Amino acid sequence: GQQLNQSPQSMFIQEGEDVSMNCTSSSIFNTWLWYKQDPGEGPVLLIALYKAGELTSNGRLTAQFGITRKDSFLNISASIPSDVGIYFCAGPGTGNTGKLIFGQGTTLQVKP
Amino acid sequence: NAGVTQTPKFQVLKTGQSMTLQCAQDMNHEYMSWYRQDPGMGLRLIHYSVGAGITDQGEVPNGYNVSRSTTEDFPLRLLSAAPSQTSVYFCASSALFDRLIYEQYFGPGTRLTVT
Repeated sequence: GQQLNQSPQSMFIQEGEDVSMNCTSSSIFNTWLWYKQDPGEGPVLLIALYKAGELTSNGRLTAQFGITRKDSFLNISASIPSDVGIYFCAGPGTGNTGKLIFGQGTTLQVKP
Repeated sequence: NAGVTQTPKFQVLKTGQSMTLQCAQDMNHEYMSWYRQDPGMGLRLIHYSVGAGITDQGEVPNGYNVSRSTTEDFPLRLLSAAPSQTSVYFCASSALFDRLIYEQYFGPGTRLTVT
């Protein structure tokens, strides 16, 4: 079935550093979504991408819809302690069923 | 708008007990779903609904029932709780355009422990 592979699985960085993470799939996606989950909370939608090659920013976050439609990237610039959490990529499953497929998540820790 | 709300926030059950996890949304979204989240497993879809009166199974439906009598509510029922159902449960909703999800919004979660 469809799978999304996120990398890296975890990151431990210094405050102020930039962060890059990516999500890949063996099949084409028409939409890419990036979520962040704070400890003890539900995932919150950060960025939604709808066109191949699209580059969208939300504050210090920038996400790109890969040109092959099989990957997406999320960058965080000048990280701060509140960026700590788990970042998930997601995309619609096949068959127009409305299902959403999630990656396994990238856990980010930021050292002040 | 309150968005997606879930109750209770925490619950402890004994094996064999039944309970209902409540989920409600006030965004008039057609699509609602339930996920469970376990360490190292990510988010796994339990059941989903594309509108009132319509439900379908996700990837891990066994042991769970759902119904969708209104657009706003989508309760998840555990008929006979098992320790394997200890998890964090999230409800989510989204609008549907041509039956494709564009953006899905999550509730705060219910942390369930089955002893």
